[in-house]
Amino acid sequence: DTEVTQTPKHLVMGMTNKKSLKCEQHMGHRAMYWYKQKAKKPPELMFVYSYEKLSINESVPSRFSPECPNSSLLNLHLHALQPEDSALYLCASSPGPLSSGAMTDTQYFGPGTRLTVL
Amino acid sequence: SQQGEEDPQALSIQEGENATMNCSYKTSINNLQWYRQNSGRGLVHLILIRSNEREKHSGRLRVTLDTSKKSSSLLITASRAADTASYFCATPYTGGFKTIFGAGTRLFVKA
Repeated sequence: DTEVTQTPKHLVMGMTNKKSLKCEQHMGHRAMYWYKQKAKKPPELMFVYSYEKLSINESVPSRFSPECPNSSLLNLHLHALQPEDSALYLCASSPGPLSSGAMTDTQYFGPGTRLTVL
Repeated sequence: SQQGEEDPQALSIQEGENATMNCSYKTSINNLQWYRQNSGRGLVHLILIRSNEREKHSGRLRVTLDTSKKSSSLLITASRAADTASYFCATPYTGGFKTIFGAGTRLFVKA
């Protein structure tokens, strides 16, 4: 299985709602990522998990809360979002860090969740 | 300033023509990757070229890397309408602990 799956495909939520995005991979990868992508822009890194531990948080607001329950699953919990948070949220995985901790592997992306915040 | 910048920002060609996109970066790297993204979808990895390689081929794709100029190019030969997509270069950043994507080139191939 060489696929990264994301659910839901689309999500519309109000600013007071709490929702979660889910990402799953069964390739045995030990690094997982969340990216945010606005229209006609490149993906922007939000979080990196390495061996189920948060290793990079790119100064993301606390209304976004990541969770990695196990090596195959990555969640992004959303609470009190703003309209400007509307974007495509992409999950990715890669085989994992080198012994130095560097991440230089090919990343495998899911299809994304299109989030609209009203 | 951004690690990994691409030109052109947009490119429109006829089917059968070749498409060339360029990427420049600022810091030393040990590899550079190219990804494709169809509209509103996830990114698909196309090719990875290591810093000790100058050229790499994969099907209709040809990637070059010039570490002295800190630049790379992606050539798609005999383009097809299905090649219509955005193309991003990606480079390791801050010692390789994360990957930074360039601004991307939007390619439109007219049938």
